[in-house]
Amino acid sequence: DGGITQSPKYLFRKEGQNVTLSCEQNLNHDAMYWYRQDPGQGLRLIYYSQIVNDFQKGDIAEGYSVSREKKESFPLTVTSAQKNPTAFYLCASSAGGGVDEQYFGPGTRLTVT
Amino acid sequence: GENVEQHPSTLSVQEGDSAVIKCTYSDSASNYFPWYKQELGKRPQLIIDIRSNVGEKKDQRIAVTLNKTAKHFSLHITETQPEDSAVYFCAAIRYNNNDMRFGAGTRLTVKP
Repeated sequence: DGGITQSPKYLFRKEGQNVTLSCEQNLNHDAMYWYRQDPGQGLRLIYYSQIVNDFQKGDIAEGYSVSREKKESFPLTVTSAQKNPTAFYLCASSAGGGVDEQYFGPGTRLTVT
Repeated sequence: GENVEQHPSTLSVQEGDSAVIKCTYSDSASNYFPWYKQELGKRPQLIIDIRSNVGEKKDQRIAVTLNKTAKHFSLHITETQPEDSAVYFCAAIRYNNNDMRFGAGTRLTVKP
């Protein structure tokens, strides 16, 4: 399961706290993505980054922030402004974006109480 | 924007039977359609994909068909096995876009 990693696997936070989810890849991929997965729903795009120092909002970016300071890393911060943060978060990367195959990390399950 | 609908949400078949999952999309400019399989507790993985210049693609027991006119595509699994049990997601995207839209998923159960 190498290539793209996420940590931690499970994360618990109190309401009102910001939390940062880690995503690292050693595939030399240019593009990286963050998705949220909720029961009975498909994967919904939060943010994506085509290249270093550039990122774009997806469908559900409100309450989230990202950075892409290094090619290998694309951390996601879930802020206190996110109304329903409890979810399974998946990071992915692809060689060049668009139609290139996306490789997914193992995911982080975030629970906010 | 693109909207992808997937049916059924759950599917139960007997081992050895075939399974078919269908997706429709709204954006006629979408031209790449991957299918991902997510086993319980694991990450989604690409199992097959199809581009808009072909109507069908096969890989052993798995096939995908695309009807561009009707804007729908389907995943066909033949001779199903218990290890095919998973959630399957369809997706659609344009070549010049990074916003891949996923269907809601189909939970396939193959009963031995």
